[in-house]
Amino acid sequence: GDSVTQMEGPVTLSEEAFLTINCTYTATGYPSLFWYVQYPGEGLQLLLKATKADDKGSNKGFEATYRKETTSFHLEKGSVQVSDSAVYFCALHPSQGGSEKLVFGKGMKLTVNP
Amino acid sequence: GAVVSQHPSWVICKSGTSVKIECRSLDFQATTMFWYRQFPKQSLMLMATSNEGSKATYEQGVEKDKFLINHASLTLSTLTVTSAHPEDSSFYICSARRGYGQPQHFGDGTRLSIL
Repeated sequence: GDSVTQMEGPVTLSEEAFLTINCTYTATGYPSLFWYVQYPGEGLQLLLKATKADDKGSNKGFEATYRKETTSFHLEKGSVQVSDSAVYFCALHPSQGGSEKLVFGKGMKLTVNP
Repeated sequence: GAVVSQHPSWVICKSGTSVKIECRSLDFQATTMFWYRQFPKQSLMLMATSNEGSKATYEQGVEKDKFLINHASLTLSTLTVTSAHPEDSSFYICSARRGYGQPQHFGDGTRLSIL
């Protein structure tokens, strides 16, 4: 079945460090890919998405590119801030079967220190 | 736009009681709402998919008599945890979407603690 594998962390970085969170997926067809962020005590917020191969999603300085050849959707940010401390989830929405189900990775907790 | 409100945000109750959690789409009509459960340091697990005016579709392993879902209107879905026990303690999150293929918008979650 469809699945998402991502770095689990936790990861601690200093402010202004470069961030990469790896995410790979297994799915049939061409799923849509998402990154969600969960701040402490809150629900999930959509950070960015990409719906087809080679699409780049970007938001708040974060970027991720849909790589069909490597089945990856790695999240990057050039300079993290303390306010980026959160849990990050990679997810996919299958393209086939009519399912509404979002498939999530296990999440990665990021802590950014001043 | 696309705000989803979840209430209550935190509830503590005694074992054996039933707890109702509400999920409202404040500025759009949600034909479908989803209920997730999140264990500590774990990912979200989809419990059920709820379409307005019809019965919810439960994921395998989720007890429908334990977790009652009602989606009575296009802006409100409720999850009732019946006869709750300590093992039901968890973080429950709902999401809502306008139509098929539209993105899901998440509520802020409800932390349920059963004593």
